[in-house]
Amino acid sequence: GAVVSQHPSWVICKSGTSVKIECRSLDFQATTMFWYRQFPKQSLMLMATSNEGSKATYEQGVEKDKFLINHASLTLSTLTVTSAHPEDSSFYICSARAADRAKNTEAFFGQGTRLTVV
Amino acid sequence: DAKTTQPPSMDCAEGRAANLPCNHSTISGNEYVYWYRQIHSQGPQYIIHGLKNNETNEMASLIITEDRKSSTLILPHATLRDTAVYYCIVRVRANFGNEKLTFGTGTRLTIIP
Repeated sequence: GAVVSQHPSWVICKSGTSVKIECRSLDFQATTMFWYRQFPKQSLMLMATSNEGSKATYEQGVEKDKFLINHASLTLSTLTVTSAHPEDSSFYICSARAADRAKNTEAFFGQGTRLTVV
Repeated sequence: DAKTTQPPSMDCAEGRAANLPCNHSTISGNEYVYWYRQIHSQGPQYIIHGLKNNETNEMASLIITEDRKSSTLILPHATLRDTAVYYCIVRVRANFGNEKLTFGTGTRLTIIP
């Protein structure tokens, strides 16, 4: 299957700082990527849909100014958690699907990024 | 997207077939059944999907009832590495890649040695 890579796999940051998480589709182009957040023992919750070359679409209750999404190319989307606080500590996961109709496959997920804010 | 209902947890002996049920009684005619799994601290992994016919791939088999109101994911010979949370999701399958997946609580499958 297609490969989606996230970086970093884990990060610890101080409260008030910003953290950038990268999501790359390694062997296909993705016009759309999705960002999820998962708290311990809970399911994945969709945060936003990232569209290449346009603004992201955020789910209800997700602050767009706090979670900045940039989808600058067909293979890269970034999520920046600004002014992080301990309550932002979570497991962040991205997913992507091939843009090519002929190659349309199911959503493939990155390995996730564990963010710990201290 | 139609709502799904799964048992919160299941155990299965190593080497035996693991059968994971999913109810989706409100599924629409154009909605597919998808299965993903999530091993601890990893991103979800696609397993299989189907519309109305039974499907099989190298990972699993998917059995969908004739009325499509329920389905069963079958792992034919479960191994310890199959311990994970399994998610059953139903949604319309479009061709443009921008449809989102909505995850429920899934079934936590534990393979017992």
